[in-house]
Amino acid sequence: DIQMTQSPSSLSASVGDRVTISCRASQGIRNDLGWYQQKPGKAPKRLIYAASSLQSGVPSRFSGSGSGTEFTLTISSLQPEDFATYYCLQHNSYPYTFGQGTKLEIK
Amino acid sequence: EGQLVESGGGLVQPGGSLRLSCVVSGFISSKYWMSWVRQTPGKGLEWVANIKQDGSEENYVDSVKGRFIISRDNAKNSLYLQMNSLRGDDTAVYFCARDSKSGGYLDWGQGTLVTVSS
Repeated sequence: DIQMTQSPSSLSASVGDRVTISCRASQGIRNDLGWYQQKPGKAPKRLIYAASSLQSGVPSRFSGSGSGTEFTLTISSLQPEDFATYYCLQHNSYPYTFGQGTKLEIK
Repeated sequence: EGQLVESGGGLVQPGGSLRLSCVVSGFISSKYWMSWVRQTPGKGLEWVANIKQDGSEENYVDSVKGRFIISRDNAKNSLYLQMNSLRGDDTAVYFCARDSKSGGYLDWGQGTLVTVSS
């Protein structure tokens, strides 16, 4: 199975900050990775697909990069509605696997 | 964008069975792979299983192989998860999701809670 190691597990930041979340795959997954945002009691929402493509309707302050084993989600200027938990998901091979999540909290 | 509505969750004793259902609307389900994903407080999100458009291929995470069966009825726009020999670590919110052609999941249900406890 491909392990997705996500870091950090939690992060405190302020509105307007730039934040970066990382995911490392235990083996190469090309660009078969997405980033998801989840708020309490809700289903995840896809932000980024194919590692760096912005999902339609998602603000441009979100961006993704990487290929192979190293991936990054960047939020360029945090907004109040961005405080949530973020997950990466690899869909390169079965079983699909998620990162452990990054809880983004208000400083 | 489609809508997915799960049902069938509840409290079940260890060793018991439960069948989850997911009814979809707003898209032709027969055109898409469909999946179940679960979420536990301790382990975050976990992909459980998926099934090909015509039901001819299924994939499972190892922890549920031999106990869970994913199926679909395209005529009813429905997805199912038959869960047998349930264990405490199967306790989770179960989401159904439509596999996106660009990979991953764009459409999700609201989730249904399964609690395995005596």
